[in-house]
Amino acid sequence: KAGVTQTPRYLIKTRGQQVTLSCSPISGHRSVSWYQQTPGQGLQFLFEYFSETQRNKGNFPGRFSGRQFSNSRSEMNVSTLELGDSALYLCASSLGGAEIEAFFGQGTRLTVV
Amino acid sequence: KNEVEQSPQNLTAQEGEFITINCSYSVGISALHWLQQHPGGGIVSLFMLSSGKKKHGRLIATINIQEKHSSLHITASHPRDSAVYICAVKVQGAQKLVFGQGTRLTINP
Repeated sequence: KAGVTQTPRYLIKTRGQQVTLSCSPISGHRSVSWYQQTPGQGLQFLFEYFSETQRNKGNFPGRFSGRQFSNSRSEMNVSTLELGDSALYLCASSLGGAEIEAFFGQGTRLTVV
Repeated sequence: KNEVEQSPQNLTAQEGEFITINCSYSVGISALHWLQQHPGGGIVSLFMLSSGKKKHGRLIATINIQEKHSSLHITASHPRDSAVYICAVKVQGAQKLVFGQGTRLTINP
């Protein structure tokens, strides 16, 4: 069974540009969550999607958005990139219940220059 | 004060030593996760707990719901156990994880 796949693995963008990251969950998983990891703030929750609906959102500006498709694949988009958006972006998939185990992807390392 | 606190932040030990990493939380939870992150970034879920104790190989995780505390133990530690260990809680009623700051473990041969 394939794991959670995130693409691309590495990305370099310029300030002001926008970026789209992709996450393909484990087959059968309907919940996808996104997290940002920076050296200063650690891991922080961005948002969670279940069956194409955003169920929960973290404390991030509106430049951060996401969506989920009918096949459960999810994308997150960051517009008007800032230097501080440089981070490892991780997604996790799960079946979607309150106590269901989450499985993480390898992450996308975004560098904004 | 963070909702999830881990201790210690850094831990260096010799191969073979018994390792304990602690996690305390201040919110109501539906589950607690112990995660392992190696250099390069990928995260592996080690355990998910809502009560009691779980064991997998040389790793043991315990949780005390009343005291809002969990521990991760590694027996007969090995250099390949060197990684960052992260405690994360699934907040009751919310579909999100809240993370501790991580414990950087280094096992020297």
